[in-house]
Amino acid sequence: DAGVIQSPRHEVTEMGQEVTLRCKPISGHNSLFWYRQTMMRGLELLIYFNNNVPIDDSGMPEDRFSAKMPNASFSTLKIQPSEPRDSAVYFCASSFNDGSEQYFGPGTRLTVT
Amino acid sequence: KQEVTQIPAALSVPEGENLVLNCSFTDSAIYNLQWFRQDPGKGLTSLLLIQSSQREQTSGRLNASLDKSSGRSTLYIAASQPGDSATYLCAGLYNFNKFYFGSGTKLNVKP
Repeated sequence: DAGVIQSPRHEVTEMGQEVTLRCKPISGHNSLFWYRQTMMRGLELLIYFNNNVPIDDSGMPEDRFSAKMPNASFSTLKIQPSEPRDSAVYFCASSFNDGSEQYFGPGTRLTVT
Repeated sequence: KQEVTQIPAALSVPEGENLVLNCSFTDSAIYNLQWFRQDPGKGLTSLLLIQSSQREQTSGRLNASLDKSSGRSTLYIAASQPGDSATYLCAGLYNFNKFYFGSGTKLNVKP
């Protein structure tokens, strides 16, 4: 199994630009999670999906953030417009079902200048 | 709000030592607790998952325990090696598939 796949691995963009992060969960997993990790705030859950449906998006910081999961094998996290304070590592994780072991992708390191 | 705490934030030990990492949580209504390892610049690697009905799980030199009544979990590492150096995070699962993470313990095992 290839594990959770994220792209790009690194993204550098200017303030005001749109950023799209991508995730492919492990095949057969029906829960998908987006996290953000910073030195100041640690690891924060942004949103999670179950069977492609957003269940809890209370962690999404602002309306500038949006996430979609059009099918079981693909999800995107979009930031529009991006700001320097969005700079962080964004992780995608998946699990087989509610409450089971989570598997993380390698992350996308986002830098907004 | 559920809180997960890990103390100490950093730990340095000589190679070969047995060690214990601590994780405490405020809400005993925890479903599962998962331990992860994170190497610098990398993602999180799952080490062990303890279901709420279990008291411990073992994998190789690692043993994790869960005591819901006291709000504590420990990760025991036997015969530590320099390759064990990493940040170890615990995460408690509460309702609706929501994991709450501790801030981690950064472990350095000196050769």
